[in-house]
Amino acid sequence: DAKTTQPNSMESNEEEPVHLPCNHSTISGTDYIHWYRQLPSQGPEYVIHGLTSNVNNRMASLAIAEDRKSSTLILHRATLRDAAVYYCILRHSIRTSYGKLTFGQGTILTVHP
Amino acid sequence: NAGVTQTPKFQVLKTGQSMTLQCAQDMNHEYMSWYRQDPGMGLRLIHYSVGAGITDQGEVPNGYNVSRSTTEDFPLRLLSAAPSQTSVYFCASSLTGTGGETQYFGPGTRLLVL
Repeated sequence: DAKTTQPNSMESNEEEPVHLPCNHSTISGTDYIHWYRQLPSQGPEYVIHGLTSNVNNRMASLAIAEDRKSSTLILHRATLRDAAVYYCILRHSIRTSYGKLTFGQGTILTVHP
Repeated sequence: NAGVTQTPKFQVLKTGQSMTLQCAQDMNHEYMSWYRQDPGMGLRLIHYSVGAGITDQGEVPNGYNVSRSTTEDFPLRLLSAAPSQTSVYFCASSLTGTGGETQYFGPGTRLLVL
């Protein structure tokens, strides 16, 4: 499985944008880039995913480098409720991998009031 | 929709006891899976299923059994609990398991084995 590398932790102030980076230099052409987050004492929650183009949804934006070897999750205005562990995960597009999500250590995001 | 539900929320077992962790989803998803999360770690895949009657092993399957008799339910059985199985267990589901799909996670079961 292709690996991802994320910073262990990041900090932000409330109402400010947050850019969470992820390196995935061994990504294959059939790997989707997924982001999940896990709030304290809860199960992981889907945030966003993409393949080649930048993506936006109500929670966040995903910026994917042109060579796909890195990506950045963008929270446009951080709130205290965004404090969580954020996981960048590569997921094979073909069915025979059967949806396995390989979780790394993730990035612990701290949001200051 | 209730989404993915798990029971119990918390369980204490003695070494050697057996138990079943329940997982159910009401979204008609083909793909279901079980993960465990140890303190300070990411999630690791235990077993998964791509449909009723079809299961396979994940990364850390030893000590666990699964079966999938219906689309909705995917129970995880601990055959003889060991302290090393103290962990938080999450069940997840998605429509078919292909790469562009969202996985939905349950709230987790916290298991303590003494």
